[in-house]
Amino acid sequence: NAGVTQTPKFQVLKTGQSMTLQCAQDMNHEYMSWYRQDPGMGLRLIHYSVGAGITDQGEVPNGYNVSRSTTEDFPLRLLSAAPSQTSVYFCASSFGLAGSDTQYFGPGTRLTVL
Amino acid sequence: AQKITQTQPGMFVQEKEAVTLDCTYDTSDQSYGLFWYKQPSSGEMIFLIYQGSYDEQNATEGRYSLNFQKARKSANLVISASQLGDSAMYFCAMREREETSGSRLTFGEGTQLTVNP
Repeated sequence: NAGVTQTPKFQVLKTGQSMTLQCAQDMNHEYMSWYRQDPGMGLRLIHYSVGAGITDQGEVPNGYNVSRSTTEDFPLRLLSAAPSQTSVYFCASSFGLAGSDTQYFGPGTRLTVL
Repeated sequence: AQKITQTQPGMFVQEKEAVTLDCTYDTSDQSYGLFWYKQPSSGEMIFLIYQGSYDEQNATEGRYSLNFQKARKSANLVISASQLGDSAMYFCAMREREETSGSRLTFGEGTQLTVNP
């Protein structure tokens, strides 16, 4: 099992550009989520999905879109990049929604917006 | 209100000694999970240990143990026999099942642990 994979690992964008961060998992997990980590801080939830075709907003959703057409994939789209979106982005997945379900993280994408 | 509080921005420990990283949490739920993750300088988030709110025994995973005191709402991580490779940022996190947030993880701000030779 590859676990949770993310591409790209690094990305530099200019203000106003759009791009998609890719996330895939091969563990047949229903729950997937995107977090961002700003310097010196913990992670904050952007969007999440409880299954294919179902997505919802997290704590900091503005400026981001998601879709979940398959169980395996959960891409994050930046609509019009802003310097405030410079961050490290983590995708995570878990089997379910229970408090006991461990979330496993991808390696992260380091995004810089100039 | 802060849901997860890690009061130690930085901690230092000598190699081979034990160290405790503090974590307190706030929730009104009866059912929740507490997690510790390690983030080395390479950046990935590595799951270390889990404690369920109904678990009566403290969780252990190798050199990691979780000192769970439910009444005090604390979930401290204990690392025994520290190794140089333990130098990293450590995050405490809580997972509640919330209808509005899809059972997200709420993270503390982290503790930077440095193991000295």
